[in-house]
Amino acid sequence: DTEVTQTPKHLVMGMTNKKSLKCEQHMGHRAMYWYKQKAKKPPELMFVYSYEKLSINESVPSRFSPECPNSSLLNLHLHALQPEDSALYLCASSQDRGPGGTEAFFGQGTRLTVV
Amino acid sequence: GENVEQHPSTLSVQEGDSAVIKCTYSDSASNYFPWYKQELGKRPQLIIDIRSNVGEKKDQRIAVTLNKTAKHFSLHITETQPEDSAVYFCAAIPDTGRRALTFGSGTRLQVQP
Repeated sequence: DTEVTQTPKHLVMGMTNKKSLKCEQHMGHRAMYWYKQKAKKPPELMFVYSYEKLSINESVPSRFSPECPNSSLLNLHLHALQPEDSALYLCASSQDRGPGGTEAFFGQGTRLTVV
Repeated sequence: GENVEQHPSTLSVQEGDSAVIKCTYSDSASNYFPWYKQELGKRPQLIIDIRSNVGEKKDQRIAVTLNKTAKHFSLHITETQPEDSAVYFCAAIPDTGRRALTFGSGTRLQVQP
């Protein structure tokens, strides 16, 4: 199983809503990532979890709150978002973050629209 | 931190021609260089990668070359086909510090039948 599964695929939310994005992998990977991708732009790193601990927060606004309940799951909690937060949110996982780098597998993404 | 620059931003070739995309990176500690292909509305998918102890790697019609001294690496696609049309991203990961993918800005490849 080389799949990273994200739910939901599409999400429309109002600026006062609270919602969560979910990501799951069963490859035994110990590093998990959230990326944000705007149209015609590369993925932009938001958060990295390594062995279920937050290791990188790329100065993301607090209206985005990540959570890693266990080694297979990664959530992104959303609250009081702005229309400019509309984007494709990609989850990825890799074996670990040790020296040398390893292949990162991406989920299909959640297309988020904030209205 | 790492900065990856990618050129060209768009590339149009005739079917059967070759395509070359070039990237440069800034962090000399970077040792892993993957290339991702992203079709419209889909996830980025790894197509080939190279590590700093290797100068060239080939997989069928796709090859990647790395010049660590000059800090640049390139993707070569030969005998292009319409299904190669997509956005291609190069990336780099350093061995120290911020060990996560930093992407180039992307190249939109259009293969004309």
